Amino acid sequence: SQKIEQNSEALNIQEGKTATLTCNYTNYSPAYLQWYRQDPGRGPVFLLLIRENEKEKRKERLKVTFDTTLKQSLFHITASQPADSATYLCALDQGGKLIFGQGTELSVKP
Amino acid sequence: KAGVTQTPRYLIKTRGQQVTLSCSPISGHRSVSWYQQTPGQGLQFLFEYFSETQRNKGNFPGRFSGRQFSNSRSEMNVSTLELGDSALYLCASSGGLGKGSYNEQFFGPGTRLTVL
Repeated sequence: SQKIEQNSEALNIQEGKTATLTCNYTNYSPAYLQWYRQDPGRGPVFLLLIRENEKEKRKERLKVTFDTTLKQSLFHITASQPADSATYLCALDQGGKLIFGQGTELSVKP
Repeated sequence: KAGVTQTPRYLIKTRGQQVTLSCSPISGHRSVSWYQQTPGQGLQFLFEYFSETQRNKGNFPGRFSGRQFSNSRSEMNVSTLELGDSALYLCASSGGLGKGSYNEQFFGPGTRLTVL
């Protein structure tokens, strides 16, 4: 069956460290993969999009990798700050539809 | 530019009733997608409209329907409400011409629907 799995547990890290979030998928062949941030009571906010022929994408303190052989995307936040605390969602393209993972709740402690 | 707006923000209905939710996309965006978010199932794709045509559809029963107007504003309708329809309904618009998942999605704040 088709599945998207993100870090099942909440992630707690210390301010200044690098947070690494994982998105694994099975039985999908996405041409695109996106990452979003969602704060409580709000809609998701787009962060990065990576295409299947791209290995890595960066935006300021954010970095995304996409390994179609491993069927995995990694999302890194370097020099993390308490303001980065939120739920992070990966979403992959399936024939034009966006299919979302359950999300990983990140908490950055000062 | 104003963001995506959704009305109403909160709604309480009883089983068997029907509901209509509204979404105004970012000016110039022609693609509007709808999602349902629940704690158990997460964020699930309902459908996408582009230039007044449904371009893609998720795996939801026929009770869930939508439409898009010539000004790109969209509505979704849920008929014969069930308790399990209680959720946050999110609308997202995108500006690209490709299918919704190929482009950055701009989400609205959502409509919180409670079915009693």
